[in-house]
Amino acid sequence: KQEVTQIPAALSVPEGENLVLNCSFTDSAIYNLQWFRQDPGKGLTSLLLIQSSQREQTSGRLNASLDKSSGRSTLYIAASQPGDSATYLCAPHFSGGYNKLIFGAGTRLAVHP
Amino acid sequence: GAGVSQSPRYKVAKRGQDVALRCDPISGHVSLFWYQQALGQGPEFLTYFQNEAQLDKSGLPSDRFFAERPEGSVSTLKIQRTQQEDSAVYLCASSPHRTEGTDTQYFGPGTRLTVL
Repeated sequence: KQEVTQIPAALSVPEGENLVLNCSFTDSAIYNLQWFRQDPGKGLTSLLLIQSSQREQTSGRLNASLDKSSGRSTLYIAASQPGDSATYLCAPHFSGGYNKLIFGAGTRLAVHP
Repeated sequence: GAGVSQSPRYKVAKRGQDVALRCDPISGHVSLFWYQQALGQGPEFLTYFQNEAQLDKSGLPSDRFFAERPEGSVSTLKIQRTQQEDSAVYLCASSPHRTEGTDTQYFGPGTRLTVL
């Protein structure tokens, strides 16, 4: 069974810290992996998409890495801000799945001033 | 341009009622997905359409759940004889489907269903 695990489940940090969110998945046969952000009561916003052939992807203060062979991805947030407070979800696109995404339970991040 | 829209945003149903949830994908997007998100959990896949064809319905939890996309654009998720365990947020997503495995999925705001 294809499963996705995210650690930690919750994180509370002071503003300005650099953060690392972890994602692990059980099947290394993936096309790509997406990181999403979800604000309370809202839908999902795509942050980064890493193709299986890539090792990392960057957007502003966000950097996502992918180690497909070990089934791991990491989202790095630099210089965290209160506006970064949200739930972060990892979703690999496993091969043969018609593009459907399998999600982890997410990491709930709170950044306080 | 406009994103994915869903209606209603909130729905309260009495146990046993039928409900219909609507999704308007981004114009021109070939692929459409429905996901179910329970409180505190990540979304779980329900079903997938490529244009009007329902190619994967493996995630539908029971035969009370039915989805359609008759003209390849708007989709409706119908739940018959709702049960309390159906209470969740139902998310719709669409993607251009240019090439398998390369697309970003764009999500709507979701419909929060509460069954009393």
